[in-house]
Amino acid sequence: DTEVTQTPKHLVMGMTNKKSLKCEQHMGHRAMYWYKQKAKKPPELMFVYSYEKLSINESVPSRFSPECPNSSLLNLHLHALQPEDSALYLCASSQTRAEGFGGYTFGSGTRLTVV
Amino acid sequence: TQLLEQSPQFLSIQEGENLTVYCNSSSVFSSLQWYRQEPGEGPVLLVTVVTGGEVKKLKRLTFQFGDARKDSSLHITAAQPGDTGLYLCAGEVSGGSNYKLTFGKGTLLTVNP
Repeated sequence: DTEVTQTPKHLVMGMTNKKSLKCEQHMGHRAMYWYKQKAKKPPELMFVYSYEKLSINESVPSRFSPECPNSSLLNLHLHALQPEDSALYLCASSQTRAEGFGGYTFGSGTRLTVV
Repeated sequence: TQLLEQSPQFLSIQEGENLTVYCNSSSVFSSLQWYRQEPGEGPVLLVTVVTGGEVKKLKRLTFQFGDARKDSSLHITAAQPGDTGLYLCAGEVSGGSNYKLTFGKGTLLTVNP
């Protein structure tokens, strides 16, 4: 299995809703990432998990809350979002540098619209 | 601060033409990757280069890493409409975080039939 699977593919939520994005990989990668991408822009790093521990938080607002329940799963919990948070949310995984980092494997993303 | 300058930002060509995309920085990279992204999908890794001067070929795509590991290029020969997409270079800065890639702004390529 060489894929990163993200669900849901599309999500519309109100500003008072609570929702979660899910990401799963079975490649044995021990580093997992959340990225945010606006239209025609490059991906922007949000969070990095290494060996199931949060290692990088790029000063992301607390309305975004990541969680890594095990080495295959990564969640992003969303609460009280703003319309400007509408974007494509990408999950990625990779080997660690110690294992021989060779680039990311990205999922197809969740297209999030906040209304 | 934009560490990776990618050019051109937009490129529209006819089928069969050749093209080159450039990725330049003042920083030294431990490795550099090229990705292609289609609308509504995540980026797909095309290649990783790690050695200065390295050249890798993937069918009609040729990737080069500069000798000083500060720049890279992607050359496509005889472009086809299926090559249309957003091409992103991304570098892992030497001595930086183990996991943090710096992305260029991307090159939006359109190949017209």
